[in-house]
Amino acid sequence: GQQLNQSPQSMFIQEGEDVSMNCTSSSIFNTWLWYKQDPGEGPVLLIALYKAGELTSNGRLTAQFGITRKDSFLNISASIPSDVGIYFCAGHYSGAGSYQLTFGKGTKLSVIP
Amino acid sequence: NAGVMQNPRHLVRRRGQEARLRCSPMKGHSHVYWYRQLPEEGLKFMVYLQKENIIDESGMPKERFSAEFPKEGPSILRIQQVVRGDSAAYFCASSNNWNYNEQFFGPGTRLTVL
Repeated sequence: GQQLNQSPQSMFIQEGEDVSMNCTSSSIFNTWLWYKQDPGEGPVLLIALYKAGELTSNGRLTAQFGITRKDSFLNISASIPSDVGIYFCAGHYSGAGSYQLTFGKGTKLSVIP
Repeated sequence: NAGVMQNPRHLVRRRGQEARLRCSPMKGHSHVYWYRQLPEEGLKFMVYLQKENIIDESGMPKERFSAEFPKEGPSILRIQQVVRGDSAAYFCASSNNWNYNEQFFGPGTRLTVL
């Protein structure tokens, strides 16, 4: 099956710093999504990407869909304490009528005030 | 609150009992997905349903697990004769008819099997 490698696994940064995390896949996806999960809660959709090369922003968040369709990255600028959480990438491939999302294992972000 | 609703939020069962997890999709959504998350892991797809139909159950264990989404009422994920390995967080997501890639998740049910 498809697998997503997400890195780094965890990161500690100072408040105000920029953050970058990425996801790579062994196969292509048609859609990349980035979610944030707080402890004890469900994932919240941050950004959805639909086209290879697409660059999309949502406030301080910017994500890109790699041109090979096998990778994506998420940047967070000027981090603040409420950015703490686990960030998941997820990919979808619509071939063979698949509807499921494949998730990475997450990047745990800690922000030091 | 028009988001995805799940209940209960926490469920404790003894080995051999049954667990029933409920999910009400977002208003206007008719596609429901169930995922399982083990500690320190990403979410793993289990099943995709539309009203009264199971569309894709390729991620669901063949035994003891079943899911339904009746014409009226919430979607139900049922686990019979639970074992310790079933302990996990179970998340439901929903999407609308024209953009099933964008799946919105509920808060999850944390199942603990004693």
